Amino acid sequence: GDSVTQMEGPVTLSEEAFLTINCTYTATGYPSLFWYVQYPGEGLQLLLKATKADDKGSNKGFEATYRKETTSFHLEKGSVQVSDSAVYFCALSSQWGQGGKLIFGQGTELSVKP
Amino acid sequence: GAGVSQSPSNKVTEKGKDVELRCDPISGHTALYWYRQSLGQGLEFLIYFQGNSAPDKSGLPSDRFSAERTGGSVSTLTIQRTQQEDSAVYLCASSIDTGGYTGELFFGEGSRLTVL
Repeated sequence: GDSVTQMEGPVTLSEEAFLTINCTYTATGYPSLFWYVQYPGEGLQLLLKATKADDKGSNKGFEATYRKETTSFHLEKGSVQVSDSAVYFCALSSQWGQGGKLIFGQGTELSVKP
Repeated sequence: GAGVSQSPSNKVTEKGKDVELRCDPISGHTALYWYRQSLGQGLEFLIYFQGNSAPDKSGLPSDRFSAERTGGSVSTLTIQRTQQEDSAVYLCASSIDTGGYTGELFFGEGSRLTVL
């Protein structure tokens, strides 16, 4: 079945460091791909998405490119801030028109130190 | 309300008891989802509602788990005869289901269930 694999955390970085969180997927068909973020004490929220190969999703300085050839959707940010400390989830949906069932990775906790 | 509301936020129960978890979706959202977040396990899909019907309940772990939705709005997830392995955070999400899929699910803050 469809699945998502993320790099394990926690990831600890200093402020202004470069961030990469790896995400790879297995899916039949042509899934849409997403990154969700869960800030401390808050619910998950959509960070960015890409719906077809070679699309780049971006938001709040974060980017991820849908790579069909490597089945990957790695999350990157050039300069992280303390406020980026959160848990990041990669997800996919391959059920277009069948509702929004998302399959999530295990989540990667990011801690950014001043 | 402005967002997805879940209650209770925390529930501690004894093994063997039944529990009910409630979700109030965003007004006008026709699709509603339940997920379970266990320590180190990521988010596990449980069930999806479109209106009051559940086209996909494939993620319910056992027949001790059931869910219903009434009036196209509030949903209740019921766990009967709780077991310790049911301890987790139960997340509810809603979305506007336009017949396509945008991935824009709006999540509540979850109900943390602890089974002693």
